[in-house]
Formats: sequence, C-alpha cells, structure tokens
Amino acid sequence: EPEVTQTPSHQVTQMGQEVILRCVPISNHLYFYWYRQILGQKVEFLVSFYNNEISEKSEIFDDQFSVERPDGSNFTLKIRSTKLEDSAMYFCASGSPPGSITDTQYFGPGTRLTVL
Amino acid sequence: AQTVTQSQPEMSVQEAETVTLSCTYDTSESDYYLFWYKQPPSRQMILVIRQEAYKQQNATENRFSVNFQKAAKSFSLKISDSQLGDAAMYFCAWSETSGSRLTFGEGTQLTVNP
Repeated sequence: EPEVTQTPSHQVTQMGQEVILRCVPISNHLYFYWYRQILGQKVEFLVSFYNNEISEKSEIFDDQFSVERPDGSNFTLKIRSTKLEDSAMYFCASGSPPGSITDTQYFGPGTRLTVL
Repeated sequence: AQTVTQSQPEMSVQEAETVTLSCTYDTSESDYYLFWYKQPPSRQMILVIRQEAYKQQNATENRFSVNFQKAAKSFSLKISDSQLGDAAMYFCAWSETSGSRLTFGEGTQLTVNP
C-alpha cells in the first residue's frame, strides 16, 4: 500500500540555522500539506500546496518558511533561520487523488525537529 | 473560525469493553468532512474513520463507528471490543472541502487496561 515518507526522522540543529525537511507524497495525490505538532499540543496546519503553488497557509507560516516541489516526487519545507520555538514534530500529508470525492489526508511518520 | 473541541483529555477502558470519545465542532458550512485520527506513541498519524457531512448514515470501520449528529455539531467515536493496541491519542478533525486544511481538536489520550 502506498504511503507518505519523510526524511530525516529526527533533525537536530542550532538556532539560526536553516533546515530542510523532505517528504515524498503518495504518487497520484494532488494536494500536499505540512502540519506541525509541538510536544503535548494539538496538530496545527502550516501550508497546503496544489498545482505547484501554495493554496492556503496559516498565520504560523511566515516569511521564514517556504515550500517547494523541486521534482515530480519530493515536497520540501524549508525553515530559513530556526528558532527555539520551531522545535516540534513536522508532518507531511498528501490527499485527494484524481476522481476522489472525499478529502482524506494521509500522513507521513513525521520529522522531529529539535532546535538548540 | 472553525473550531474543534474534544472535552475529554483522558479516557480509559477495560480490554474488550466499549468506549466513546466525544468531539464537537463549530462551523457555518453545510458541507464538510470529519475525521478521527489515531496517534500511537510513535507519533504517526493514522486515519481511523471519516464521515461526509452530507451523508446521514454513520460511518463504520470494523470495531470503530461514529455517531454523527449534524444539528448538534457532534461527532463521537465508539470503539467496540477495545484492544491493547487501541491505546493512543485520538484526534478529531474537520475540513471544509476537498483539499482544504484539517482543523484538529486537542486530542483524547485513551488508555486500555488489561
């Protein structure tokens, strides 16, 4: 069964450094998402991506964040200058295959980002 | 703004018993989708069940079923014949349309006692 994959599983970085989190969505899905979950809190939406552009973003997704689909398979989240409060689990999700009338998002296993 | 509320931070159930997790939401939309996701200690988000608001019939997936009350904006999850592997954090989530963001509740931590 196809699944969303994410790398790395755990990333440790110094405050102020740039990080790139990588995701490979399910191949026939059209929508791609990033969510984050600070430890002990609920899952929060960051951004959605459709047809090679951002379709929606939250207040959290400020100028230090960017997303890219550099090729036909990868979907990346870049944080330009990490802050301590960026420490969280970051989930990639993909959804809505062609012809689907439902909106089911399938999540990857997450990348745990630790900013020191 | 749409909100999702899970009023039970923690629940426990005996193995083989039935438990119901509550979820309410607030929206002015008439068509939308509702979901329950399970998050075990590995922190992977696993889809448990989904419900389309235009469908009156409650969704079921094996031991998992929902009680969807559209007028009351309530979407509870019933787990029958609970198993030790059901122990996890359960999140209720809402989305407006195909492709739109998921809005999550705060989660309910379910413990299954042997």
